[in-house]
Amino acid sequence: GENVEQHPSTLSVQEGDSAVIKCTYSDSASNYFPWYKQELGKGPQLIIDIRSNVGEKKDQRIAVTLNKTAKHFSLHITETQPEDSAVYFCAASAPNFGNEKLTFGTGTRLTIIP
Amino acid sequence: NAGVMQNPRHLVRRRGQEARLRCSPMKGHSHVYWYRQLPEEGLKFMVYLQKENIIDESGMPKERFSAEFPKEGPSILRIQQVVRGDSAAYFCASSPSREADTQYFGPGTRLTVL
Repeated sequence: GENVEQHPSTLSVQEGDSAVIKCTYSDSASNYFPWYKQELGKGPQLIIDIRSNVGEKKDQRIAVTLNKTAKHFSLHITETQPEDSAVYFCAASAPNFGNEKLTFGTGTRLTIIP
Repeated sequence: NAGVMQNPRHLVRRRGQEARLRCSPMKGHSHVYWYRQLPEEGLKFMVYLQKENIIDESGMPKERFSAEFPKEGPSILRIQQVVRGDSAAYFCASSPSREADTQYFGPGTRLTVL
């Protein structure tokens, strides 16, 4: 089955600086890679996703890159703000006759220092 | 359009009791996934259901756990004879169709077993 590894587990960044979180996956059949933000006591919120036919996707201050050959993908947050502080999870799914269950990384706790 | 709803948000049970967790998917969504999150860990897939059908229950313990998604009403995750190790946050996610990968998560039910 799929295995997703995520690094770092914790990350502290000065407000205004950039943050980068990296994930690797094991199943070469995986073709969908979402990123979720989870605030304390809440459910995961989808912030951006990328499919395997695209190498990069950007949405305002957030961007995701995908390297299918190396089987890794990264989340980039620029001009960080205090409200970006949260736990971020990467995930991957492979097509399986309509069952698109997600395999999650272990999370990165991002702290933005004012 | 209301998001995914889960209730109760918090549930306390004594060892040996039953826990029933409910999930109402987003309007128009007929696919439901259940995930479990242990403290300081990522989310782990449990079960995938479509209306009246269990598609994949490979992540759900064989004993004491069951899930259903009836034609009418919410999806139910049922845990019989709970043990302390069942204490976790349980999240459901919904998606609109088998062709769509995007999963939208509810706020979760935090189960505490005393």
